[in-house]
Amino acid sequence: QKEVEQNSGPLSVPEGAIASLNCTYSDRGSQSFFWYRQYSGKSPELIMSIYSNGDKEDGRFTAQLNKASQYVSLLIRDSQPSDSATYLCAVKWDDSSASKIIFGSGTRLSIRP
Amino acid sequence: GAVVSQHPSRVICKSGTSVKIECRSLDFQATTMFWYRQFPKQSLMLMATSNEGSKATYEQGVEKDKFLINHASLTLSTLTVTSAHPEDSSFYICSARGRTGILTSGGAGGTDTQYFGPGTRLTVL
Repeated sequence: QKEVEQNSGPLSVPEGAIASLNCTYSDRGSQSFFWYRQYSGKSPELIMSIYSNGDKEDGRFTAQLNKASQYVSLLIRDSQPSDSATYLCAVKWDDSSASKIIFGSGTRLSIRP
Repeated sequence: GAVVSQHPSRVICKSGTSVKIECRSLDFQATTMFWYRQFPKQSLMLMATSNEGSKATYEQGVEKDKFLINHASLTLSTLTVTSAHPEDSSFYICSARGRTGILTSGGAGGTDTQYFGPGTRLTVL
């Protein structure tokens, strides 16, 4: 059973601080990892993808991947109220029929002014 | 680039009727489309994967005779909820993945990224 685990939160962070979101996955063979942001009532929006160990930065967002520990994280610097949303960690894995992306249950982030 | 649309955005129907939801990739060819369902305060659950021109692959527990999926072209997939019941009320979201290289022009995604449609909220009375 392929699993993607996230703390459901809510995670409350003051405006301007760093928000840290964490995710673990069960399939050691996974090669592709994604972070999506989902506002209430909306569909997910891709924020970051990461494929190699280490850090990947894009603006205020940094994704971190550690394949040995089967761990992927997302850091949001200078948090803004508009960052308040549910953040979904997603991991791609391949089975005999196709590759598919499995989502974690999401972490609800709240940025307090 | 990488825009996926869904229609309708919201639908209300009576129990026992069928509802068709369309998913289109507007600016790329989607070799694979995925259908998800999301209940309130829960994560996305993959229902099925469809490749253009072939039968959809359904996840365990998803009734293929109830949720009919057609992926007739590289830009269109449809999900038909047949004989809908109130428990089918949910947020249905499609996503699409393009041909290798189509989505490598920069931005957040890579060649295997899935891009989501805006979702269809189905309410069955």
